[in-house]
Parts: sequence; C-alpha cells; structure tokens
Amino acid sequence: DTEVTQTPKHLVMGMTNKKSLKCEQHMGHRAMYWYKQKAKKPPELMFVYSYEKLSINESVPSRFSPECPNSSLLNLHLHALQPEDSALYLCASSQDSSGYQETQYFGPGTRLLVL
Amino acid sequence: AQSVTQLDSHVSVSEGTPVLLRCNYSSSYSPSLFWYVQHPNKGLQLLLKYTSAATLVKGINGFEAEFKKSETSFHLTKPSAHMSDAAEYFCVVTDTGNQFYFGTGTSLTVIP
Repeated sequence: DTEVTQTPKHLVMGMTNKKSLKCEQHMGHRAMYWYKQKAKKPPELMFVYSYEKLSINESVPSRFSPECPNSSLLNLHLHALQPEDSALYLCASSQDSSGYQETQYFGPGTRLLVL
Repeated sequence: AQSVTQLDSHVSVSEGTPVLLRCNYSSSYSPSLFWYVQHPNKGLQLLLKYTSAATLVKGINGFEAEFKKSETSFHLTKPSAHMSDAAEYFCVVTDTGNQFYFGTGTSLTVIP
C-alpha cells in the first residue's frame, strides 16, 4: 500500500481563523514533507520532517506551523493566513529523507481558499 | 546544482497517436529521475523512476522513459494516447540529499 491520506479535501477560512491540515501514512516511512502548489505551477517544498524532527524549513512564514506528533502523522497548523496563501497543499512521504534514490509518495492534497 | 527543464509547456496529441514529453536535466551526481502525473485537482502519482539499473524504464499505464546520459535527457513516451492521459506531467531530479527538483510541468491534451 503506497497511500498517503490528507484531510480535509477542501478548506475555506478567513484571515483570522485557525485551522489545521492533517496527513497520514502507514507505510513505515520516516520522512514526511509539506508542499504548496499554485495553479499551473510545480509543487514548492515547505517543510521536511525526518524521524519526527524538522530537518528543512524553506523560509516559510510563521503563520504556517508544522507538527509531527508521531512517525505516521503530519499536521500543518494555519493561523492568520493571507489570500495569497490559497493553494493546493500536498503532503508526501518517503522511506528516508537522506537516502539516495528515495521515491516520494504524494497525497491527494487539501485545496485551501483564504478569504 | 540540480535542475530540470521540461521543453514543452503544452503538448496536444490525437487519441491513439504517440506521446512524447521532453525532459532535460543537469546534475552534479548520478541522478535519480522521476516522472509524475497530476490529474486536475488531484495529487501527484508516480509514473516511473530511473535509478541507474536500466536505461529504459517502464512505468504504469503504458508509459516508458529512456535515460540518455550523453544527452542529459529523460523523455517520456507512450505509443498510443488515451483520453485518460490528459493531465499535467512533471519531470523530477533528485540529488544525494533526496531533495526533489521539479520541472515546470507539461500539460498534455488528448484530442478525440
């Protein structure tokens, strides 16, 4: 099973709201990723967790706060977002983040609209 | 530094005709190369992966790609396009740190 699940599928929030995106995988992978994808563009890496520790933060604004409660779960907490943060948020996982030739498996994404 | 160039932003083919999506890469190391497909409002699905075992890689749904080191290319092909192939395709290269470098994507349209 190479499935990564994400909830919710769609999310609409105001600029003062607090919400969270959830990602889950049960493949025993030890690396998990958050990407942001705008329309007609490739995904942009936001965060990488390796063995439940944050290993890469691509200069993402603090209104995005990742959390990795355990090796299967990855959350992205959202607070005081801006309309330009509207995008598809993709989660991915791989066996390891430092291994060579690792394949990343992507979830279906959460479509976020900030009003 | 690693980078990927997808030479065509849009490709349009008739159903039943061959598909060619072009990808060139630059890498300081022996690269891993991937093709992913993304249907509208969906996540990315792995089509195939090159890891130096064989230069011709077969993937899902009849797709294949050939790694040509001398040309630094990894073009994706399919002998006969199907309507369900209409989607966005991304070529990806990784380095030894396993960070993904995405191409800008190629939008494939299949005409009935």
